[in-house]
Amino acid sequence: AQRVTQPEKLLSVFKGAPVELKCNYSYSGSPELFWYVQYSRQRLQLLLRHISRESIKGFTADLNKGETSFHLKKPFAQEEDSAMYYCALRPVGDNYGQNFVFGPGTRLSVLP
Amino acid sequence: DTGVSQDPRHKITKRGQNVTFRCDPISEHNRLYWYRQTLGQGPEFLTYFQNEAQLEKSRLLSDRFSAERPKGSFSTLEIQRTEQGDSAMYLCASSLGGLSGYTFGSGTRLTVV
Repeated sequence: AQRVTQPEKLLSVFKGAPVELKCNYSYSGSPELFWYVQYSRQRLQLLLRHISRESIKGFTADLNKGETSFHLKKPFAQEEDSAMYYCALRPVGDNYGQNFVFGPGTRLSVLP
Repeated sequence: DTGVSQDPRHKITKRGQNVTFRCDPISEHNRLYWYRQTLGQGPEFLTYFQNEAQLEKSRLLSDRFSAERPKGSFSTLEIQRTEQGDSAMYLCASSLGGLSGYTFGSGTRLTVV
């Protein structure tokens, strides 16, 4: 079965400090990995996906298949980055639908 | 088109009552998903439609739950004989499929008293 873990429920950093939100997954195949973000009083929205190799709002994430990780990083945190972050996996293959498996989430708090 | 819409935003119901939620996806999206989220957890998959066909159902979707998507447009999720354990945020999302991510609605928060 597919599983996504995010070991930190809460991560607090000071403004300007680097931030890393950890995500590990278990899946025997080749997954697609995503990060979703939910700002206060807003809906869940896509932040980035590993296949795009993009940087969104200064965040990047690299898929490490050897360590089965997809950690989210930003070199200099901003107060507006404070939000709930969810790592999500979508299994790839003919036997799978299009549903995501989400981690429990990490609340990032960026302090002034 | 202002995105994925869900109605109602909040629903309080007595245990044993039936409830129905509605989701209007982005019009050009052919895939629609229902998820449930409880406090402190990430969203959990319930069911998925491609156009009007319900292609996948989670084991979380007991016999009391039913979802429809007539004509491949809006979808409804009905819960019969609600239980306190059904209290959660019910999220709807839509996508164009392929490698795209989801667009989520704001959710319907159900409280069963």
